[in-house]
Amino acid sequence: GQQVMQIPQYQHVQEGEDFTTYCNSSTTLSNIQWYKQRPGGHPVFLIQLVKSGEVKKQKRLTFQFGEAKKNSSLHITATQTTDVGTYFCAGPRGSTLGRLYFGRGTQLTVWP
Amino acid sequence: NAGVTQTPKFQVLKTGQSMTLQCAQDMNHEYMSWYRQDPGMGLRLIHYSVGAGITDQGEVPNGYNVSRSTTEDFPLRLLSAAPSQTSVYFCASSPRQTMNTEAFFGQGTRLTVV
Repeated sequence: GQQVMQIPQYQHVQEGEDFTTYCNSSTTLSNIQWYKQRPGGHPVFLIQLVKSGEVKKQKRLTFQFGEAKKNSSLHITATQTTDVGTYFCAGPRGSTLGRLYFGRGTQLTVWP
Repeated sequence: NAGVTQTPKFQVLKTGQSMTLQCAQDMNHEYMSWYRQDPGMGLRLIHYSVGAGITDQGEVPNGYNVSRSTTEDFPLRLLSAAPSQTSVYFCASSPRQTMNTEAFFGQGTRLTVV
């Protein structure tokens, strides 16, 4: 089964509203990564979090890594239609850092 | 900058046929992986490799074989295609670093088995 659980599976928002997706792991992660996949496209790396309690920002996107390094969140402030897509979290399993296991993703729809 | 190149982009197979999905990267990355993506299931790891000559199984390896004879290439073989293997397949590569293991994905191969 999936090592990382991601919720919600779908989210529909009006343009300008905020959006948050959550990722939870049953085990401690050495790092967590976030990817965005546009409809019909391939996943594209957004960010990697490594430290306990780490918070990183990219313009309207805020990423957090939990203190226990078992959960993470992505928050988008004031969504735009360009934010449409599926957002995935991913964490390495075991000591092989390149062996990534992905959550099922949150599909974001933004209504203009 | 080619990055990760997958071929073909689309393929239709009959049940029982075999084929190889090609993946090549020009970034000298040590890690390479194959994922399949099905609706509502996210990306599931099929096989991965930590370097030339070394491969291992992921979450859903049954029905697939891989080999890694060079750093650049990581082909995925379907020995006897089944309708359950209808999916979108992504190849990814990443550098072997402790602090930044960003995965770069190919454009994907959309496979239909009839």
